[in-house]
Amino acid sequence: DTGVSQNPRHKITKRGQNVTFRCDPISEHNRLYWYRQTLGQGPEFLTYFQNEAQLEKSRLLSDRFSAERPKGSFSTLEIQRTEQGDSAMYLCASSLVGGNEKLFFGSGTQLSVL
Amino acid sequence: QKEVEQNSGPLSVPEGAIASLNCTYSDRGSQSFFWYRQYSGKSPELIMSIYSNGDKEDGRFTAQLNKASQYVSLLIRDSQPSDSATYLCAVMEYGNKLVFGAGTILRVKS
Repeated sequence: DTGVSQNPRHKITKRGQNVTFRCDPISEHNRLYWYRQTLGQGPEFLTYFQNEAQLEKSRLLSDRFSAERPKGSFSTLEIQRTEQGDSAMYLCASSLVGGNEKLFFGSGTQLSVL
Repeated sequence: QKEVEQNSGPLSVPEGAIASLNCTYSDRGSQSFFWYRQYSGKSPELIMSIYSNGDKEDGRFTAQLNKASQYVSLLIRDSQPSDSATYLCAVMEYGNKLVFGAGTILRVKS
């Protein structure tokens, strides 16, 4: 399987706990994106990387959110001190520079904060 | 952040009919446009991309782009019950950020 892989698929946590999600992009893709989606809404941009550099971070993203892509391959998204409002589907997507900007999404991580 | 607007629906069409989905966007500088299909509980799946004014056909799908009117549409011919899903319009902003509309729910009745 050469698609975008995300782990875990589901995460249930208590308010105030920290959570970390992992994304493995399509192997030759050098751009990696994180989006968040709530019910009835389209995906909302959080941040993106080109290789290991984080090039943009949404102004809507609080300081409790941090993302890394240390070697330009997989990426992690950490949420500290989770709140109930963080409950959402967290989607990772990857694309290839010069690949007509097509983004391909992983299956997502569904986060529930109790 | 620029906006992408879609009618939330649901849009109901009988099996075999043409479904027409519409989208408007606010960023006049946008050059790349995409349609994604999303089944309930699943992630978005890319079905069409369009970069130039006019029509682009791929099987039963036709994407239409009018940059002067800032309008993108998706036509689905011979609609099937399996086409029932949420269709997301997405526009690439300057800086390589894809902005999505809220999606249109399509229901194809057999």
